[in-house]
Amino acid sequence: GAVVSQHPSWVICKSGTSVKIECRSLDFQATTMFWYRQFPKQSLMLMATSNEGSKATYEQGVEKDKFLINHASLTLSTLTVTSAHPEDSSFYICSANQGGHYEQYFGPGTRLTVT
Amino acid sequence: DQQVKQNSPSLSVQEGRISILNCDYTNSMFDYFLWYKKYPAEGPTFLISISSIKDKNEDGRFTVFLNKSAKHLSLHIVPSQPGDSAVYFCAARHGTSYGKLTFGQGTILTVHP
Repeated sequence: GAVVSQHPSWVICKSGTSVKIECRSLDFQATTMFWYRQFPKQSLMLMATSNEGSKATYEQGVEKDKFLINHASLTLSTLTVTSAHPEDSSFYICSANQGGHYEQYFGPGTRLTVT
Repeated sequence: DQQVKQNSPSLSVQEGRISILNCDYTNSMFDYFLWYKKYPAEGPTFLISISSIKDKNEDGRFTVFLNKSAKHLSLHIVPSQPGDSAVYFCAARHGTSYGKLTFGQGTILTVHP
């Protein structure tokens, strides 16, 4: 149980285009989903927290107009990187938890490369 | 401000011996602690957790110890196996953070056959 999937697993896009990453909880309903990014040899940095049906809460320093998050249902959250630039290249990971549970279950991650 | 710190970037252990990974925190409002294991280019996998009202939690080869007065927790793996080689992250949950976790920098564990 507690499986989280992400799609795509890797994507290459050109500078200036937008990329959408999907995060799905496959066998449970996720009241809250989280989006992280990880640079090589660094820790996971929380970007934003999203709750189903409400606006995402962004961490300090994260541009909400650049990283659009939509949590349309209890099993799906999407992260759209708008007008991507090479510095947005990173490993993006989502996680989800069930209401009342503290453990977060992570997706496999999405490698984004912007050329 | 690094509220969760893993001061050892790496640890090397012989197969069959004990691995001890350490984690320190500064925020006394953290009420739940978790350990995750991560392979390159994959998402973290949940290992074990402990509530701040306990000082020990055990699950098979994995035991987590919490010393609240020292704001220190450790993960013990006994016996260590080559398949345990990965990056280990400790994470802490703030009591009022709505589930948000703060992660340490990670420790690379290498278990030699």
